[in-house]
Amino acid sequence: AIQMTQSPSSLAASVGDRVTITCRASQDIRNDLGWYQQKPGKAPKFLIYAASSLQSGVPSRFSGSGSGTDFTLTISSLQPEDFATYYCLQDNTYPWTFGQGTKVEIK
Amino acid sequence: EVQLLESGGGLVQPGGSLRLSCTASGFIFSRYGMSWVRQAPGKGLEWVSGFSAGGTAYYADSVKGRFTISRDNSKNTLYLQMNGLRAEDTALYYCAKPLMVRGVIDVVYYGMDVWGQGTTVTVS
Repeated sequence: AIQMTQSPSSLAASVGDRVTITCRASQDIRNDLGWYQQKPGKAPKFLIYAASSLQSGVPSRFSGSGSGTDFTLTISSLQPEDFATYYCLQDNTYPWTFGQGTKVEIK
Repeated sequence: EVQLLESGGGLVQPGGSLRLSCTASGFIFSRYGMSWVRQAPGKGLEWVSGFSAGGTAYYADSVKGRFTISRDNSKNTLYLQMNGLRAEDTALYYCAKPLMVRGVIDVVYYGMDVWGQGTTVTVS
């Protein structure tokens, strides 16, 4: 199975900060990568698909980039509602695999 | 409104079986591959099983040979038959549908855009 290595595992940031989370695949997955946000006690929310396409209704401060093996999720100006855990998911090859998650906490 | 509603979770002894159900509404269920994703207490997300858009079933290595995914399109329902349950299968189980994007020629499916609320499985 393709391994997805996400970093950092956690970070502390302030409202207004620019935040970057990275995900590295163990093999080429083209641009078949999505990003998800999960808040405690809630189901995950789909943010970005195909590495850089913003899901409908997701604020434009979220963006994704990358292809091949290296990918990035960027939050341009962190808002209070963005404190959550973020996961990448490769949907290039079955079995699909998630990164281990990045918890974004308040500094 | 697109909705997914899981059911069938519960407490089961090691080695036991459970069948989870996910009832879909608000979209043409038969046109979508579907997935099961689980989350152990305090842990990250794990994709468990799913149907591709073409209808082929796939499994995570951790459940292959023990879990079976199936669907009844006439009932808009996805199932996960779980046999040989282990303590490490304890988790909240979600079902999810992919995002469908219409291209010029065909449709393309991406990830999972709608999730149910989950059903809890405890193996103890």
